[in-house]
Amino acid sequence: SYVLTQPPSVSVAPGKTASISCGGNDIRTKTVHWYQQKPGQAPALVIYYDTDRPSGIPERFSGSNSGNTATLTISRVEAGDEADYYCQVWDSNSDHFVFGTGTKVTVL
Amino acid sequence: QLQLQESGPGLVKPSETLSLTCTVSSGSISSSAYFWGWIRQPPGKGLEWIGNINYSGSTFFNPSLKSRLTMSVDTFKNQFSLHLTSVTAADTAVYYCARTWPNQGPFDIWGLGTMVIVSS
Repeated sequence: SYVLTQPPSVSVAPGKTASISCGGNDIRTKTVHWYQQKPGQAPALVIYYDTDRPSGIPERFSGSNSGNTATLTISRVEAGDEADYYCQVWDSNSDHFVFGTGTKVTVL
Repeated sequence: QLQLQESGPGLVKPSETLSLTCTVSSGSISSSAYFWGWIRQPPGKGLEWIGNINYSGSTFFNPSLKSRLTMSVDTFKNQFSLHLTSVTAADTAVYYCARTWPNQGPFDIWGLGTMVIVSS
């Protein structure tokens, strides 16, 4: 089945940029969604269809998808961005949704 | 604002059936524009998709769970349900219900989640 690989952790200083990768075979052919999950809370959608932001999500959050890697970028990182982040795609070969392994973002 | 709320027993014995219900409020489950899904998260681990259903009862499931899984929808009560048979400790997790869009869409609205422990 399709596998999405993310780095377990990313550390970033406040005000800097965090980049979270999501690797998958030819992922550029799939649409990628990203979720933010803070401790004790349900996941929340932050990027959908590779690059779109739901209403209420700051412009600091952006997404891209190319080749074998999709990327979530958080600019001007704030303490409140500290959370786990998951990518997700639909695998048409096996007809099921797949989540990435998750990345814990720590704000230094 | 549409809201989802999971409900069901927090403790299930091994080999028994885990049954959960998701109640949709401030919106209709009967919209053809959406599917309704279940996702789970074992303690300290990542997210795993379980399955989706729409208002007419069309379903698609995670192949790894398909043999133990049924889902149903009750449009009158604005609810959908999950039934997972022959549970083991590996099924211990927080279970979330969520709304999703057709055609590879995201899960855009989530319930708060409910913890289910499988133990004798």
